[in-house]
Order: sequence, then structure tokens, then C-alpha cells
Amino acid sequence: SQTIHQWPATLVQPVGSPLSLECTVEGTSNPNLYWYRQAAGRGLQLLFYSVGIGQISSEVPQNLSASRPQDRQFILSSKKLLLSDSGFYLCASVGGTEAFFGQGTRLTVV
Amino acid sequence: EDQVTQSPEALRLQEGESSSLNCSYTVSGLRGLFWYRQDPGKGPEFLFTLYSAGEEKEKERLKATLTKKESFLHITAPKPEDSATYLCAVQNYGGSQGNLIFGKGTKLSVKP
Repeated sequence: SQTIHQWPATLVQPVGSPLSLECTVEGTSNPNLYWYRQAAGRGLQLLFYSVGIGQISSEVPQNLSASRPQDRQFILSSKKLLLSDSGFYLCASVGGTEAFFGQGTRLTVV
Repeated sequence: EDQVTQSPEALRLQEGESSSLNCSYTVSGLRGLFWYRQDPGKGPEFLFTLYSAGEEKEKERLKATLTKKESFLHITAPKPEDSATYLCAVQNYGGSQGNLIFGKGTKLSVKP
């Protein structure tokens, strides 16, 4: 089965600083990759998805961007963080009807 | 609009007290219904995918069933280590290339 690696596990960043979260996938090729944000009591919100290298679709207008430089690498970025960007960020790989998640990054913007 | 509603929001059980979690959904065309377990501070751990009404799947003390409008996660004789948040999600044939639409989860606590 697939393994999804995310890092870092936790991150504390000041308002206005840049962000880069990385996700890599093992055990599959050509996956559809997703970034979700999970807020307490609000479920998982889809932020971006990618069906291939360089192909990014955004679901929610926001302060964040995503890139997919390699088949099994997905990056979430921001040029200037806002307080509202705090949350638990999850990377997922979906192939057909199999869907696996990484262990997440807890981002706190201070 | 595709939607997933889980109930109850929280459930407290005594060890050995069996119960069920509910996941109601509306979706334009169901491709799959997923159940996950999530421990605090961790990513969701895949449990089951169900594809059609009438289907059932089991794993240890967990059994998932599916109808045309809802899914149940039955927990038989739970143990304290079953304490976690259980998430339900649906995948439709349209939408964002296989995106999962999640409910808010049911937080299960099992007391010894």
C-alpha cells in the first residue's frame, strides 16, 4: 500500500512569514494528490488537488498556493502567513477508490 | 450539493458495550464511501471503502454497512484502545477528480 510522508510535523511561524510544507508519496505512481486543512469541529476542507506534474486546481480562494514539481511530490506554500492560516494540514493520495493520508502538519501562526 | 452528516458528534461507551455510528450522505453519484479512524494529532487511518448498497466489511471489532442513504459503523465489545474520532467520507464520480467529502466525525470514548 501507499505511504505518505509529510514534514514538518509541527511548525510555529510568525504572521507575515513564508511557508513551505512538503508531501511525498511512496508505493504508487501517477497519484491524484490533495491538500486538506482540518479545523476543530469543522471537518476536512479541500484546499488544492493535482492530477499530474504541474497541474494544480484550487478549491478555495486563500492565501496559500500549491505546486507539484515531481510525480510524487506535492508542496503547499504561502508568501505571507495570516493568523487564519493556523490549522492541521493533511496531504492525501487518491488512486481510484483507495485514499491514504499523511500524518499531518500542525501549523500555528503567531 | 454533496453532503455528509455524522451522528452522534460524541459517544461514550463502557468497555464491552456495543454501539453504532451513523453516516448519512447525499451525493450525485456514489463512487465509494470511506471510513477512517483518527487519533489526536495524527492523520486519518484508512479502515474501509464500501461501494454499493448492501455491502458489508469487517475488521476486528468494527463492521461497516452501506445503504443508499447512509452507512453504519458497528463496534462490537469495544475496548479503550478503540477510542478515537471516526470519520466518514464519500467520493463521487464528478467533482474534483476523486476528492473525498468528509463529515465532521464522531468522537468515541471507551471507558474501562
